[in-house]
Amino acid sequence: DVKVTQSSRYLVKRTGEKVFLECVQDMDHENMFWYRQDPGLGLRLIYFSYDVKMKEKGDIPEGYSVSREKKERFSLILESASTNQTSMYLCASSFLGQGFQPQHFGDGTRLSIL
Amino acid sequence: AQKITQTQPGMFVQEKEAVTLDCTYDTSDPSYGLFWYKQPSSGEMIFLIYQGSYDQQNATEGRYSLNFQKARKSANLVISASQLGDSAMYFCAMREYSNTGKLIFGQGTTLQVKP
Repeated sequence: DVKVTQSSRYLVKRTGEKVFLECVQDMDHENMFWYRQDPGLGLRLIYFSYDVKMKEKGDIPEGYSVSREKKERFSLILESASTNQTSMYLCASSFLGQGFQPQHFGDGTRLSIL
Repeated sequence: AQKITQTQPGMFVQEKEAVTLDCTYDTSDPSYGLFWYKQPSSGEMIFLIYQGSYDQQNATEGRYSLNFQKARKSANLVISASQLGDSAMYFCAMREYSNTGKLIFGQGTTLQVKP
C-alpha cells in the first residue's frame, strides 16, 4: 500500500513564525503536491514538484515556499506565518506520466496560526 | 481554463438507498481523466473511482459507479445501497493529460446518510 506521511496532524504556531510542514512518501513517486483546503473552496494547489530540486507554483503560492532535496520528501515552508494561513494542508504524491495516475494523500495537517 | 463544479454543498440520503453526487467539468483538452475522492471527518482523502475521457464504458468500483456523459461534460458519482460509513465529503477532480499530473478539484459535496 502507498503510504504518504505528514509529520503532524495538528499544529499551532504564532504569527510571524517560520513553519515547516513535512511530507514523506514510500512509493518512489516522481510527483509530489501540497494543497490547502478551506470550506467552500475545495482543495487548492500551492506548489508541486515532479523531480528532486524541481518545483512549480500552483494556484496560490504566495506566502509559501517548498523544498525537495530527496525524492521521497517534500517540505512546505511558511516563511512568516499569518492568520490567513490557518487551514488544512494536504500532501499528495503520484507517478509521473499520462493516464490513470491517482494521487495518494496523507492524513492532512490542521494548522492554526494565532 | 479547466474547471470543476460541484453544485450540491450538502446532501442527505436514507441508509440503503442510492444517491447521485453531481459533477460538471470544463476543459479544452480532448484527453483527460476524472477522479472522485472521499474525505471522512478524520481528514484523509481516499481515492474511489476513475474515468478516462476515451473510456467507452462507465467506470464501476463495488458500490460506486460513475455516470459519464461526455457531451454534457458531466461525471456524476452514484453510490448504491448507502451505508452509514458513506457519510463524508466527496470531491470530484480532473486531470488534463497534457500537464504534469496536477488535479483540479471541485468545491466538494457533504453527504450525510440517515439511519
